[in-house]
Amino acid sequence: KQEVTQIPAALSVPEGENLVLNCSFTDSAIYNLQWFRQDPGKGLTSLLLIQSSQREQTSGRLNASLDKSSGRSTLYIAASQPGDSATYLCAVLAGGTSYGKLTFGQGTILTVHP
Amino acid sequence: DADVTQTPRNRITKTGKRIMLECSQTKGHDRMYWYRQDPGLGLRLIYYSFDVKDINKGEISDGYSVSRQAQAKFSLSLESAIPNQTALYFCATSGSLVSNEQFFGPGTRLTVL
Repeated sequence: KQEVTQIPAALSVPEGENLVLNCSFTDSAIYNLQWFRQDPGKGLTSLLLIQSSQREQTSGRLNASLDKSSGRSTLYIAASQPGDSATYLCAVLAGGTSYGKLTFGQGTILTVHP
Repeated sequence: DADVTQTPRNRITKTGKRIMLECSQTKGHDRMYWYRQDPGLGLRLIYYSFDVKDINKGEISDGYSVSRQAQAKFSLSLESAIPNQTALYFCATSGSLVSNEQFFGPGTRLTVL
C-alpha cells in the first residue's frame, strides 16, 4: 500500500526566505506526483505536476523535483511571501492496475510572517 | 464561474438521515472523484468514475454510494449518516489521459450529529 509522508508538518519562516518542503513515498511505481495548495476553508489548487519520467517542474517562484527511485520529491519556494501561507499537499498517482488513484500526504502547514 | 462546483457547501444533519452531496463540472472531463478529508488522516479516496458507465470503489467506500448522472455530474450519497462521517468532502475531475492532473471543487463541510 502506498504511503506518502510530508516533512515538516509545520513551518514558520520570515518573509523573503527560501524554503523547501519534503515529500516521500513508499512505492516508486507511480505515474506522476502533484503538489497542491490548500487555503483554510477552501479547496485544493494544483501547483505543479511532475510526470514519473521528469525530474523537475517550475512555475514562477515554485520548483518541484522528483527522484522516483528514492521515493522523494521536494517543493522549493523562492523569496517567500505572506500570501504563500497555506497548507501544501503532495499526492502521488498510482500507475499500473491502480491507475487513477491519488494518495495524499498529510500536508505541511506553512506560515510566512512579515 | 468555478469549473468544479459542489452543493451544499455546508450541511448539518442527524444520525440516520440520508444525505446527498452533488458535484458538477464545466471542464468537460470524463473522470470524476470523491474524497474526504479528516484532520490527521489527510485526503482519502471514496469513489471514482472514469466515465458515465464506469464507477469504482476507493479505499473507504463503506457507508457511501455514488451516481454518475451525466458526464458533468457525480453525486455522493450517505444512506444513513453516522457521526464518524463528519468530514470535509471534495469532488475532483481530471481530463488528460496523459497527465491525469486533478482539479478540485471547493468542498462540502458535513457535520453529522
